[in-house]
Amino acid sequence: EIVMTQSPATLSMSPGERATLSCRASQSVSSNLAWYQQKPGQAPRLLIYDTSTRATGIPARFSGSGSGTDFTLTINSLQSEDVAVYYCQQYNNWPPLTFGGGTKVEIK
Amino acid sequence: QVQLVQSGAEVKKPGSSVKVSCKASGGTFSSYAIGWVRQAPGQGLEWMGEFISVFGAAKYTQKFQDRLTITADESSTTSYMELSSLTYADTAIYYCARGFEGGGSYLESWGQGTLVIVSS
Repeated sequence: EIVMTQSPATLSMSPGERATLSCRASQSVSSNLAWYQQKPGQAPRLLIYDTSTRATGIPARFSGSGSGTDFTLTINSLQSEDVAVYYCQQYNNWPPLTFGGGTKVEIK
Repeated sequence: QVQLVQSGAEVKKPGSSVKVSCKASGGTFSSYAIGWVRQAPGQGLEWMGEFISVFGAAKYTQKFQDRLTITADESSTTSYMELSSLTYADTAIYYCARGFEGGGSYLESWGQGTLVIVSS
């Protein structure tokens, strides 16, 4: 089973700043990595798939990069509506599909 | 865009079973997989398994292999997740989500979630 590790656990940023979230896989997942956003009380929403492709309707301030074992989700110009927990997920080696533990993004 | 609507909250006793439904609308039901993910209170996301319509079979994570059954009914475009031998640790929100037809993919759209509480 591939273990996904996210850091930091919590990120506290000011509006307009750039947020950088990291995700590391215990072995290579190629580019088969997705990011999800989960706001309080809501279901997760797909943000990014195939490492860097934005899902339908996702603003351009969200971008993904990386390959192999190290991946990054960048949120440019952080907005109050971006307060959420962000999860990465690998789909290179399954079952099981595996998620990281999440990064909580807060606004200062 | 596929929309997924799940059944309502359940309260179950330890040792019993729960069956949650997930009705899909939009798209072609037989052309995608339906996965099930759970989230314990205050915790992260845990993939349980998925039904892959093109194979007519389910794949499960080993942790739930012995007590989880995921099925799908193409005529009603509904997937079902049944978990047996419930313990307090199974208290969670259970989500269904659409994946791509061969399975093992990212999850493009999600149901609203079903809260399952295990309580004596």
